[in-house]
Amino acid sequence: AQKITQTQPGMFVQEKEAVTLDCTYDTSDPSYGLFWYKQPSSGEMIFLIYQGSYDQQNATEGRYSLNFQKARKSANLVISASQLGDSAMYFCAMREGRGGSEKLVFGKGTKLTVNP
Amino acid sequence: NAGVMQNPRHLVRRRGQEARLRCSPMKGHSHVYWYRQLPEEGLKFMVYLQKENIIDESGMPKERFSAEFPKEGPSILRIQQVVRGDSAAYFCASSLAPPTGELFFGEGSRLTVL
Repeated sequence: AQKITQTQPGMFVQEKEAVTLDCTYDTSDPSYGLFWYKQPSSGEMIFLIYQGSYDQQNATEGRYSLNFQKARKSANLVISASQLGDSAMYFCAMREGRGGSEKLVFGKGTKLTVNP
Repeated sequence: NAGVMQNPRHLVRRRGQEARLRCSPMKGHSHVYWYRQLPEEGLKFMVYLQKENIIDESGMPKERFSAEFPKEGPSILRIQQVVRGDSAAYFCASSLAPPTGELFFGEGSRLTVL
């Protein structure tokens, strides 16, 4: 079974609108971490946001927020006020365990296109 | 503040040659990870190293691939006798002592095997 599932191969959003990118995960470990990365066409991996499994509040970083629903095992990324520069691939990833390492399992990604 | 530095950014090799990819972690980071990204795929973990130690190499192919992180100098991912299937982007990432909730990646090295 896939540990990280991103069901949206591609998403489109109008500039200035909000968009939600879906991510579900599968783990039996009570301690884990969830990450989102952005990969623009230039290829680098840009860290966006992190949520620990024991964190009480949803993580937020500027225009990025993580909608963490533990019982549903989902960790959707919400981007508010989309900008043209947000067009990129977005990857959800999970670290299992208490964090003896930052060994991550990645989803296949969602390609976001922001239209003017 | 330099980020994670990888070189070369692009490398072309013929089948059977060797490829060496280098990674200098962020300043102050002593934990290095290598990931591989095949076309149209997410990243897959290969190996986790600390200075002079391989901590977890569960994602490394059993043959032809090796990694090191010496006391001095960058981490090296070495691929011997490359084959076309090795063509991919290889990303290095670094962190402070985990768990940190932060893993910073370099810009990747894109290997093309002809």
